[in-house]
Amino acid sequence: GAVVSQHPSWVICKSGTSVKIECRSLDFQATTMFWYRQFPKQSLMLMATSNEGSKATYEQGVEKDKFLINHASLTLSTLTVTSAHPEDSSFYICSAPDRRQGEKLFFGSGTQLSVL
Amino acid sequence: DAKTTQPPSMDCAEGRAANLPCNHSTISGNEYVYWYRQIHSQGPQYIIHGLKNNETNEMASLIITEDRKSSTLILPHATLRDTAVYYCIVRVALGGNTGKLIFGQGTTLQVKP
Repeated sequence: GAVVSQHPSWVICKSGTSVKIECRSLDFQATTMFWYRQFPKQSLMLMATSNEGSKATYEQGVEKDKFLINHASLTLSTLTVTSAHPEDSSFYICSAPDRRQGEKLFFGSGTQLSVL
Repeated sequence: DAKTTQPPSMDCAEGRAANLPCNHSTISGNEYVYWYRQIHSQGPQYIIHGLKNNETNEMASLIITEDRKSSTLILPHATLRDTAVYYCIVRVALGGNTGKLIFGQGTTLQVKP
């Protein structure tokens, strides 16, 4: 299957700081990427759709100024959690569709964010 | 996207077949049935998908009823490493927003020795 790389795997930060998470499609190009958040013992919740060269589309209830998404190239999307607070602590996961495989979605390994 | 209904949990003996059901009674004609699984603290892993015909790959088989309102994922010989949360999702197989996956609660499969 296609490879989606996510970095970092885990990050600990102080309250009020910003954290950037990177998502790369290593062996294919992706004009769209999806960002999810997952709290312990819960399912994945779609946060936003990242679009290369244009603005991201956010799901209802997700603050666009809080979660900044940039899709600068066909292989890289970034999610920045701005002014992080303890309630932003969560597991963040990205995914990208591979057109070579019928738009099948492949997922990164996730980023565990802990805000102190 | 159409919603799916899955049992919250199931047990299976190691070496036996695991049959995971999914109801998707409001599925549209252009929506596929996808199965993913998530092992603790990892990203979801693609298993299989289908439109209306039964499908089989090296990981599993997918049986879709003729009316497409339900399906069953079959792991033919479950191992301890198959212990995970299994998600059944219906999705239009196109890019962009129409191609997003909306996850339900899934089924936690516990494979026991």
